[in-house]
Amino acid sequence: DGGITQSPKYLFRKEGQNVTLSCEQNLNHDAMYWYRQDPGQGLRLIYYSQIVNDFQKGDIAEGYSVSREKKESFPLTVTSAQKNPTAFYLCASSPSTGGNTNTEAFFGQGTRLTVV
Amino acid sequence: AQSVTQLDSQVPVFEEAPVELRCNYSSSVSVYLFWYVQYPNQGLQLLLKYLSGSTLVESINGFEAEFNKSQTSFHLRKPSVHISDTAEYFCAVRRNQAGTALIFGKGTTLSVSS
Repeated sequence: DGGITQSPKYLFRKEGQNVTLSCEQNLNHDAMYWYRQDPGQGLRLIYYSQIVNDFQKGDIAEGYSVSREKKESFPLTVTSAQKNPTAFYLCASSPSTGGNTNTEAFFGQGTRLTVV
Repeated sequence: AQSVTQLDSQVPVFEEAPVELRCNYSSSVSVYLFWYVQYPNQGLQLLLKYLSGSTLVESINGFEAEFNKSQTSFHLRKPSVHISDTAEYFCAVRRNQAGTALIFGKGTTLSVSS
């Protein structure tokens, strides 16, 4: 089945440790995104990538890093510089990189990160 | 700047009653609008979208939304809800930049009881 796989579903880390969240897609989509979801806050864009080896900061990139070495993979690292890392993280992809095109985003099942 | 406002954070209704979840947006250029649904501890699923053409769009499970340019609204409606519709609903607009990334509202929790 085609889709977006995020792993793990639940993740616990100690404060001060870096942690990497995995996101893999087999939809052959060009664009990939990371969003953070907090209760009552909706989803906020962390990073996005429209092509391999290129990515851009979103609205809340501080304390996060990403890489896009392969089209199907877009891992997110939550660093110790992120002040409030506990949240639900969602990865998404879309076949289009923008312009006058009509496409929607497809989402993974999310990773719930808890930092203690 | 673009933004999305969902006017109700929580909407409690009884089964088989009609419901409307309200969404207003601000955008200065072409508008692509979406409604997503999220069940607990899961990702988002697309419910319906407005890209162009008819201002009334429908989903396969009975929801519909109407794009109203003059009122900058994209309200979601269903004439008769089921218990299984209980979920969080997000309205979103595609960003003018950042590829096809979205700007989301803060969500509306729909609670359907019998």
